[in-house]
Amino acid sequence: AQSVTQLDSQVPVFEEAPVELRCNYSSSVSVYLFWYVQYPNQGLQLLLKYLSGSTLVKGINGFEAEFNKSQTSFHLRKPSVHISDTAEYFCAVSGYTGGFKTIFGAGTRLFVKA
Amino acid sequence: SAVISQKPSRDICQRGTSLTIQCQVDSQVTMMFWYRQQPGQSLTLIATANQGSEATYESGFVIDKFPISRPNLTFSTLTVSNMSPEDSSIYLCSVSSVEETQYFGPGTRLLVL
Repeated sequence: AQSVTQLDSQVPVFEEAPVELRCNYSSSVSVYLFWYVQYPNQGLQLLLKYLSGSTLVKGINGFEAEFNKSQTSFHLRKPSVHISDTAEYFCAVSGYTGGFKTIFGAGTRLFVKA
Repeated sequence: SAVISQKPSRDICQRGTSLTIQCQVDSQVTMMFWYRQQPGQSLTLIATANQGSEATYESGFVIDKFPISRPNLTFSTLTVSNMSPEDSSIYLCSVSSVEETQYFGPGTRLLVL
C-alpha cells in the first residue's frame, strides 16, 4: 500500500521569503513522486516530478524538490515566493501495485502575503 | 501532454437524479481515471476506466452509484446516480503518460440540492 502525508495544511509566508512544503510517503514498492499545483478555481497541473537519477528535481516557476529515500521525503522548496504562488499544492506518489495508481496527499495551502 | 475536456463544466442537480459527465482526450491513451475532490479536500480516486472491460473501483466506490463507460481510447463517461447533497464535489477526469504523470481535465463542479 502507498500513502502520502503532507505535514502542513496551511503555510502563510511573506512575499520574497523562502518556503518549504513538506511531504513524506510510504510504499512497499518503488515509486515515482510528484508535486501538483492547483490555482484558485483551476484544475491541477504538474509542477515537477522525480522518476530516477538526480535526487534534486527542478520544476516550473522556480520550484524544486529533493527526493530523500532514507527519510522517505520529497519536500518542495522555493527560495523566494511571489503573490502569484498562492495556491494549493499536492504531493503525489505513483507505484505499481497490481496496476499503476497515483495517491495524493491532503494538500498544503500556500498563502503569500504582501 | 494530453489535452482533456469535460462536459458539463458545472451543474446544479436535484437529489435523487443522475448526472453523466463526459471526458474527451485529444489522443489515444491507455489509462483513464476518475477522481473526486470534495470541497477543501484532496483528490480521491474513484475508479480506473478500462477500455473494453468493466472499470476498476476503489474501496468505498461501487458501480451502481458511479457507473463508468469507456467505449474507446479517447472517451469516457462517469455517471453519478441517485444523487444526494453529499455528492456535491468536483469530479475530475485524468489520463497518465508513460511515466505516470497525470494530466487532468478542468473538472466538473457538481452541486446537489
